[in-house]
Amino acid sequence: QSALTQPPSASGSPGQSVTISCTGTSSDVGGYNYVSWYQQHPGKAPKLMIYEVSTRPSGVPDRFSGSKSGNTASLTVSGLQAEDEADYYCSSFAGNNNIWVFGGGTKLTVL
Amino acid sequence: QVQLQESGPGLVKPSQTLSLTCTVSGGSISSGSYYWSWIRQPAGKGLEWIGRIYTSGSTNYNPSLKSRVTISVDTSKNQFSLMLSSVTAADTAVYYCARNSVDHLDFDYWGQGTLVTVSS
Repeated sequence: QSALTQPPSASGSPGQSVTISCTGTSSDVGGYNYVSWYQQHPGKAPKLMIYEVSTRPSGVPDRFSGSKSGNTASLTVSGLQAEDEADYYCSSFAGNNNIWVFGGGTKLTVL
Repeated sequence: QVQLQESGPGLVKPSQTLSLTCTVSGGSISSGSYYWSWIRQPAGKGLEWIGRIYTSGSTNYNPSLKSRVTISVDTSKNQFSLMLSSVTAADTAVYYCARNSVDHLDFDYWGQGTLVTVSS
Protein backbone atom coordinates (compact mmCIF):
# COMPACT_ATOMS: atom_id res chain seq x y z
CA GLN A 1 0.00 0.00 0.00
CA SER A 2 1.56 3.30 -1.09
CA ALA A 3 1.64 6.36 1.07
CA LEU A 4 -0.89 9.10 0.43
CA THR A 5 0.33 12.11 -1.56
CA GLN A 6 0.56 15.52 0.10
CA PRO A 7 2.30 18.70 -1.08
CA PRO A 8 5.56 19.10 0.84
CA SER A 9 4.82 22.68 1.78
CA ALA A 10 2.08 25.27 2.06
CA SER A 11 2.03 28.82 3.35
CA GLY A 12 -0.18 31.76 4.10
CA SER A 13 -0.24 35.05 5.94
CA PRO A 14 -1.99 35.52 9.28
CA GLY A 15 -5.74 35.69 8.80
CA GLN A 16 -5.66 33.96 5.43
CA SER A 17 -6.90 30.48 4.56
CA VAL A 18 -4.80 27.57 3.37
CA THR A 19 -5.89 24.21 1.99
CA ILE A 20 -3.74 21.07 2.09
CA SER A 21 -4.59 18.17 -0.19
CA CYS A 22 -4.17 14.44 0.39
CA THR A 23 -4.52 12.15 -2.60
CA GLY A 24 -4.95 8.41 -2.39
CA THR A 25 -6.81 5.74 -4.30
CA SER A 26 -10.18 4.04 -4.32
CA SER A 27 -8.65 1.50 -1.90
CA ASP A 28 -8.14 4.07 0.84
CA VAL A 29 -9.25 7.73 0.70
CA GLY A 30 -11.83 7.16 -2.01
CA GLY A 31 -13.20 3.97 -0.55
CA TYR A 32 -13.83 4.94 3.06
CA ASN A 33 -14.89 7.98 5.05
CA TYR A 34 -12.11 7.32 7.56
CA VAL A 35 -9.67 10.08 6.70
CA SER A 36 -8.04 11.82 9.63
CA TRP A 37 -5.63 14.73 9.93
CA TYR A 38 -2.83 15.30 12.45
CA GLN A 39 -0.86 18.38 13.48
CA GLN A 40 2.72 17.91 14.60
CA HIS A 41 4.90 20.61 16.10
CA PRO A 42 8.69 20.03 16.15
CA GLY A 43 9.73 17.45 18.68
CA LYS A 44 6.14 16.69 19.67
CA ALA A 45 3.76 13.81 19.08
CA PRO A 46 1.07 14.21 16.42
CA LYS A 47 -2.29 15.60 17.55
CA LEU A 48 -5.62 14.56 16.05
CA MET A 49 -7.30 17.53 14.34
CA ILE A 50 -9.96 15.95 12.11
CA TYR A 51 -11.48 12.46 11.95
CA GLU A 52 -13.98 10.78 9.64
CA VAL A 53 -13.13 13.30 6.89
CA SER A 54 -14.68 16.37 8.51
CA THR A 55 -15.34 15.93 12.24
CA ARG A 56 -13.38 17.98 14.77
CA PRO A 57 -12.55 16.46 18.16
CA SER A 58 -13.49 18.48 21.20
CA GLY A 59 -11.06 21.34 21.74
CA VAL A 60 -9.94 21.74 18.12
CA PRO A 61 -10.74 25.24 16.84
CA ASP A 62 -13.42 25.51 14.18
CA ARG A 63 -10.84 27.22 11.99
CA PHE A 64 -9.86 23.69 11.01
CA SER A 65 -12.14 21.90 8.57
CA GLY A 66 -11.95 18.81 6.38
CA SER A 67 -13.58 17.55 3.22
CA LYS A 68 -13.25 14.86 0.58
CA SER A 69 -13.97 14.52 -3.12
CA GLY A 70 -13.26 11.23 -4.82
CA ASN A 71 -9.77 10.03 -3.96
CA THR A 72 -8.64 13.39 -2.57
CA ALA A 73 -9.18 14.71 0.95
CA SER A 74 -8.45 18.26 2.02
CA LEU A 75 -7.70 20.13 5.23
CA THR A 76 -8.49 23.84 5.31
CA VAL A 77 -7.12 26.14 7.97
CA SER A 78 -8.97 29.46 8.05
CA GLY A 79 -7.90 32.60 9.84
CA LEU A 80 -4.30 31.44 10.02
CA GLN A 81 -2.52 32.05 13.31
CA ALA A 82 1.14 31.81 14.15
CA GLU A 83 0.57 28.70 16.27
CA ASP A 84 -0.81 26.86 13.23
CA GLU A 85 2.71 26.63 11.83
CA ALA A 86 3.45 22.91 11.98
CA ASP A 87 3.60 19.72 9.93
CA TYR A 88 0.26 18.22 8.94
CA TYR A 89 -0.31 14.57 8.06
CA CYS A 90 -3.33 12.86 6.60
CA SER A 91 -4.18 9.24 7.25
CA SER A 92 -6.73 6.85 5.82
CA PHE A 93 -8.04 3.44 6.65
CA ALA A 94 -7.32 1.07 3.77
CA GLY A 95 -9.78 -1.77 4.15
CA ASN A 96 -7.82 -4.52 2.43
CA ASN A 97 -6.02 -6.35 5.23
CA ASN A 98 -7.26 -3.73 7.71
CA ILE A 99 -4.30 -1.38 7.46
CA TRP A 100 -3.70 2.37 7.69
CA VAL A 101 -1.69 4.62 5.42
CA PHE A 102 -0.27 8.09 6.06
CA GLY A 103 0.60 10.95 3.78
CA GLY A 104 4.15 12.21 3.52
CA GLY A 105 3.31 15.37 5.45
CA THR A 106 2.94 19.05 4.59
CA LYS A 107 4.94 21.78 6.32
CA LEU A 108 2.63 24.75 6.88
CA THR A 109 4.41 28.08 7.21
CA VAL A 110 2.65 31.17 8.51
CA LEU A 111 4.37 34.08 6.79
CA GLN B 1 -7.31 11.45 30.68
CA VAL B 2 -5.69 8.57 28.83
CA GLN B 3 -1.91 8.60 28.68
CA LEU B 4 0.46 6.36 26.75
CA GLN B 5 4.16 5.97 27.50
CA GLU B 6 6.71 4.14 25.41
CA SER B 7 9.71 2.45 27.00
CA GLY B 8 12.63 0.35 25.81
CA PRO B 9 16.26 0.48 24.68
CA GLY B 10 17.30 3.53 22.72
CA LEU B 11 20.09 1.70 20.92
CA VAL B 12 19.85 -1.61 19.09
CA LYS B 13 22.56 -3.37 17.10
CA PRO B 14 22.00 -4.28 13.45
CA SER B 15 20.41 -7.71 12.90
CA GLN B 16 19.06 -7.77 16.45
CA THR B 17 15.47 -7.38 17.63
CA LEU B 18 13.97 -4.04 18.64
CA SER B 19 11.64 -4.37 21.61
CA LEU B 20 9.37 -1.61 22.97
CA THR B 21 6.53 -1.49 25.45
CA CYS B 22 3.66 0.98 25.71
CA THR B 23 2.06 1.47 29.12
CA VAL B 24 -1.48 2.81 29.12
CA SER B 25 -2.81 4.80 32.08
CA GLY B 26 -6.12 6.53 32.71
CA GLY B 27 -8.07 3.82 30.93
CA SER B 28 -8.23 0.07 30.45
CA ILE B 29 -6.47 -1.52 27.50
CA SER B 30 -9.19 -4.16 27.67
CA SER B 31 -11.85 -1.70 26.54
CA GLY B 32 -13.50 -3.10 23.45
CA SER B 33 -13.70 0.35 21.91
CA TYR B 34 -10.08 0.63 20.88
CA TYR B 35 -7.24 -0.95 18.98
CA TRP B 36 -3.67 -0.20 20.04
CA SER B 37 -1.16 0.75 17.37
CA TRP B 38 2.53 1.35 16.78
CA ILE B 39 3.64 4.09 14.39
CA ARG B 40 7.16 5.24 13.55
CA GLN B 41 8.81 8.34 12.10
CA PRO B 42 12.39 8.47 10.80
CA ALA B 43 14.10 11.78 11.41
CA GLY B 44 12.80 14.46 9.07
CA LYS B 45 10.38 12.07 7.41
CA GLY B 46 6.73 11.12 7.55
CA LEU B 47 4.72 8.74 9.68
CA GLU B 48 4.52 5.01 8.98
CA TRP B 49 1.90 2.75 10.54
CA ILE B 50 3.51 -0.46 11.80
CA GLY B 51 0.58 -2.45 13.10
CA ARG B 52 -2.18 -2.77 15.68
CA ILE B 53 -3.59 -5.17 18.22
CA TYR B 54 -7.02 -5.63 19.73
CA THR B 55 -7.65 -6.64 23.32
CA SER B 56 -8.48 -10.15 22.08
CA GLY B 57 -4.95 -10.43 20.72
CA SER B 58 -5.90 -10.20 17.05
CA THR B 59 -3.38 -8.24 15.00
CA ASN B 60 -2.93 -6.47 11.68
CA TYR B 61 0.43 -5.42 10.30
CA ASN B 62 1.81 -3.15 7.60
CA PRO B 63 2.52 -5.53 4.69
CA SER B 64 5.96 -3.98 4.19
CA LEU B 65 7.00 -4.95 7.73
CA LYS B 66 4.80 -7.97 8.37
CA SER B 67 7.55 -10.58 8.14
CA ARG B 68 9.54 -8.88 10.93
CA VAL B 69 6.86 -7.50 13.29
CA THR B 70 5.12 -8.96 16.30
CA ILE B 71 2.72 -6.95 18.48
CA SER B 72 1.44 -8.45 21.72
CA VAL B 73 -0.76 -7.32 24.61
CA ASP B 74 -0.59 -7.88 28.37
CA THR B 75 -3.95 -6.86 29.78
CA SER B 76 -2.85 -7.58 33.37
CA LYS B 77 -0.22 -4.85 33.09
CA ASN B 78 -2.26 -2.57 30.80
CA GLN B 79 0.56 -2.74 28.27
CA PHE B 80 1.16 -3.68 24.67
CA SER B 81 4.49 -4.36 23.02
CA LEU B 82 6.33 -4.23 19.72
CA MET B 83 9.06 -6.53 18.50
CA LEU B 84 10.82 -5.83 15.20
CA SER B 85 13.42 -8.37 14.16
CA SER B 86 16.49 -8.20 11.93
CA VAL B 87 16.77 -4.44 12.25
CA THR B 88 18.93 -2.26 10.03
CA ALA B 89 19.81 1.42 10.03
CA ALA B 90 16.61 2.02 8.07
CA ASP B 91 14.65 1.12 11.20
CA THR B 92 16.13 4.07 13.10
CA ALA B 93 13.16 6.26 14.01
CA VAL B 94 11.00 7.74 16.71
CA TYR B 95 8.50 5.06 17.64
CA TYR B 96 5.05 6.09 18.87
CA CYS B 97 2.31 4.04 20.44
CA ALA B 98 -1.23 5.27 19.85
CA ARG B 99 -4.83 4.49 20.67
CA ASN B 100 -6.88 3.59 17.61
CA SER B 101 -10.64 4.14 17.84
CA VAL B 102 -12.79 1.23 16.64
CA ASP B 103 -15.63 3.59 15.77
CA HIS B 104 -13.74 6.41 14.07
CA LEU B 105 -10.63 4.55 12.90
CA ASP B 106 -8.44 7.48 13.92
CA PHE B 107 -5.49 7.75 16.32
CA ASP B 108 -6.85 9.87 19.14
CA TYR B 109 -4.18 9.55 21.81
CA TRP B 110 -0.44 9.22 21.26
CA GLY B 111 2.57 8.56 23.43
CA GLN B 112 5.37 11.10 23.45
CA GLY B 113 7.53 8.87 21.27
CA THR B 114 10.86 7.20 21.86
CA LEU B 115 13.92 7.38 19.63
CA VAL B 116 15.44 4.05 18.68
CA THR B 117 18.78 4.11 16.91
CA VAL B 118 20.11 1.06 15.09
CA SER B 119 23.88 1.14 15.18
CA SER B 120 26.80 -1.07 16.09
